[in-house]
Amino acid sequence: DAGVIQSPRHEVTEMGQEVTLRCKPISGHNSLFWYRQTMMRGLELLIYFNNNVPIDDSGMPEDRFSAKMPNASFSTLKIQPSEPRDSAVYFCASTPGVGQPQHFGDGTRLSIL
Amino acid sequence: KQEVTQIPAALSVPEGENLVLNCSFTDSAIYNLQWFRQDPGKGLTSLLLIQSSQREQTSGRLNASLDKSSGRSTLYIAASQPGDSATYLCAARFSGNTPLVFGKGTRLSVIA
Repeated sequence: DAGVIQSPRHEVTEMGQEVTLRCKPISGHNSLFWYRQTMMRGLELLIYFNNNVPIDDSGMPEDRFSAKMPNASFSTLKIQPSEPRDSAVYFCASTPGVGQPQHFGDGTRLSIL
Repeated sequence: KQEVTQIPAALSVPEGENLVLNCSFTDSAIYNLQWFRQDPGKGLTSLLLIQSSQREQTSGRLNASLDKSSGRSTLYIAASQPGDSATYLCAARFSGNTPLVFGKGTRLSVIA
């Protein structure tokens, strides 16, 4: 069984550049979540989708962040322009339904110089 | 504000010990609670999910309990092994259509 697949695994870029993180959820899962993890703040929810529709984006820190889910098998998280304080590990997770366990990808480690 | 707290932040035990990891949450009207394991450089692996109607769940050497009235959950690990070394996170869902709220985790080291 393929789990949640995220790409790239690592990204290093200069501030001001656009960053695009990608996620492929587990087939058949209808909810998708984007999280950010830092030492200081732990794991924070950025946005989640049900059936490809954004439900709650209150965790998105600023207008520089945007997320899309054009179909059930793909989602992107974009940061434009990126800043050093965006450096973190970004996780994508999916779940088959409400109240079911969430399954996480291995994350994208993002470093903004 | 709904919050999840895990204390201690780090724990070191000798191999073979039984141990308990603690998780507390602010709202007793919890929908479910999930325990995860995170290895360095990896994502989170779901260990156990306890629904609000349940008091505990078991998987192998792991047992998770839920006490809604006191706002607490514990993860019991029996006969700990060095391979159990990881960060353990608990996360609570406070209603059916809200996302998980995570604690900051307990970093466990099991010393051979």
